[in-house]
Amino acid sequence: QKEVEQNSGPLSVPEGAIASLNCTYSDRGSQSFFWYRQYSGKSPELIMFIYSNGDKEDGRFTAQLNKASQYVSLLIRDSQPSDSATYLCAGAVSGGYQKVTFGTGTKLQVIP
Amino acid sequence: DVKVTQSSRYLVKRTGEKVFLECVQDMDHENMFWYRQDPGLGLRLIYFSYDVKMKEKGDIPEGYSVSREKKERFSLILESASTNQTSMYLCASTPGGDTDTQYFGPGTRLTVL
Repeated sequence: QKEVEQNSGPLSVPEGAIASLNCTYSDRGSQSFFWYRQYSGKSPELIMFIYSNGDKEDGRFTAQLNKASQYVSLLIRDSQPSDSATYLCAGAVSGGYQKVTFGTGTKLQVIP
Repeated sequence: DVKVTQSSRYLVKRTGEKVFLECVQDMDHENMFWYRQDPGLGLRLIYFSYDVKMKEKGDIPEGYSVSREKKERFSLILESASTNQTSMYLCASTPGGDTDTQYFGPGTRLTVL
């Protein structure tokens, strides 16, 4: 069973702090990784994707990928209460119609 | 913007009923997916389709079937609804190729009584 694992949380951080969300995966064939944000009662929306080892930054968000350690993370700088949501990590074998495997998500709470 | 729509936001059905959930995407995407999402279990893939009239089983296909007669439309069918199929159902689509970003519909919360 190919898996993507996340700590379910909740992860609580004060407003303005850095939130660090982590994910590990078991399928070494996975090449693409995604972070989705899901507000309560809503559907997931893509925040970032990363294909290469290293860091990828987009505004307050930084995704980090370490394929040797099979580890993906998402850093949220200057956390805001509006960032409070469940964050889903997902991995995919690139190309064609291969399935994407989702983690169960980490709930983030940003405390004002 | 990619738009994925689902036929209902909320649906209440009785045990044994046949249930149809419809999903439509407007971006000519090749691949379409049906998931269910339950607390603590995350998103679980039921079926996916990579072309018209083509379908592949996901991780939990039992009790479900699908239909894709047109590229933009992917239907999920519960042949005989049961209470353990009460869940949030999410449809998604992807362009295909090397881009696997999933675009999700708003979801259908199905309750089976």
